[in-house]
Amino acid sequence: DAKTTQPPSMDCAEGRAANLPCNHSTISGNEYVYWYRQIHSQGPQYIIHGLKNNETNEMASLIITEDRKSSTLILPHATLRDTAVYYCIVMGGGADGLTFGKGTHLIIQP
Amino acid sequence: GAVVSQHPSWVICKSGTSVKIECRSLDFQATTMFWYRQFPKQSLMLMATSNEGSKATYEQGVEKDKFLINHASLTLSTLTVTSAHPEDSSFYICSVLAGKNIQYFGAGTRLSVL
Repeated sequence: DAKTTQPPSMDCAEGRAANLPCNHSTISGNEYVYWYRQIHSQGPQYIIHGLKNNETNEMASLIITEDRKSSTLILPHATLRDTAVYYCIVMGGGADGLTFGKGTHLIIQP
Repeated sequence: GAVVSQHPSWVICKSGTSVKIECRSLDFQATTMFWYRQFPKQSLMLMATSNEGSKATYEQGVEKDKFLINHASLTLSTLTVTSAHPEDSSFYICSVLAGKNIQYFGAGTRLSVL
């Protein structure tokens, strides 16, 4: 699976959009971009995933660049409950376990 | 998504005893489940892949005789930490593999070995 690079931490004001970047320059054609988050002392939570088109669901939007070498997770109206570590994971279509990097610790400020 | 229940959420045991952790998929028939552990201030690390009706596949460095995994049904996988020692104290988390390769996680079990 391709390696990902994320900033270690980010701050965002409550009510504003939180934009979390992820670089995955070695992604291959059949690999998807998945985003999970882990709120402190809880199990991770699936957020969204995509291959090459932008995706949106009730939690977030995922913007993938045309060359697929980077992506951005957007939380449109961040709340205090969105404070968590966000993981960007690239993987192919196999039923494999996830490789978690260090992620981005997003802190939502009141 | 799939609802995953993990039990117990917290357990304290004496060194040398065994501890069993259950992971239940409440609304999804899970052929594949995963077990992870997380040490303080670190990321989750995959321990093993659990497939219903067959032996688990362990990651390099994880002792299969110490961390016994049983996946006897499509809704239940168990992890037994045998002869637990203080260095086994960690946060253990299971997940269920659902459609589109999405994993749904349990709430985790915090194990403290005295």
